[in-house]
Amino acid sequence: QVQLVQSGAEVKKPGSSVKVSCKASGGTFRNYAITWVRQAPGQGLEWMGGIIPIFGITNNAQKFQGRVTITADESTSTAYMELSGLRSEDTAVYHCASSTYYNDSSGYYYIGHDLDSWGQGTLVTVSS
Amino acid sequence: SYELTQPPSVSVSPGQTARITCSGDALPQKYAYWYQQKSGQAPVLVIYEDKKRPSGIPKRFSGSSSGTMATLTISGAQVEDEADYYCYSTDSSDNYSVFGTGTKVTVL
Repeated sequence: QVQLVQSGAEVKKPGSSVKVSCKASGGTFRNYAITWVRQAPGQGLEWMGGIIPIFGITNNAQKFQGRVTITADESTSTAYMELSGLRSEDTAVYHCASSTYYNDSSGYYYIGHDLDSWGQGTLVTVSS
Repeated sequence: SYELTQPPSVSVSPGQTARITCSGDALPQKYAYWYQQKSGQAPVLVIYEDKKRPSGIPKRFSGSSSGTMATLTISGAQVEDEADYYCYSTDSSDNYSVFGTGTKVTVL
């Protein structure tokens, strides 16, 4: 099972951007998809989007369209989530998680929902 | 946008059965996945593809799905099962994933 280690906590000003990294080890990076999930203080889990690194296929939540960029670097087995235009409501713990991926009869690939390994979480605080 | 609805809380005594429901329009066609999150920890997958249990998850955790509702059952709940539980699935087009609203399970 892959292990995921995320970058450290960040404090950002409103309007700025943050980029969180998620480094995988103990598995073959190209065999996994990476999903990003966030959790605001006292709130539930929120799906942000994900990537299948081997194909560079991404899928983001409509809520974050235009603000979130999810990328991956196969050479370092690292995925990244960049969120721009930060506001106070973006204060949350951001998690990466790995899953399988699959394709349909049309050959289109989808990120699986079996998030079986999670990073430790990165607290992003947005405050002036 | 697509939504998955769960009851806010479920409370049982130790040894009793806890049932957590998840309602969503696409569930007749799409699998439900269930996650357990204890305070201050990352979530853990406890059920995948409606009813399959990952290795290491106790047999008291089971899942089922019928129509627009998926159910996570904890048979003989233990104090250590106290946690928040979330269902997770996708809309009918497979374009957007969503977590349920979450259910706090209390065992006392």
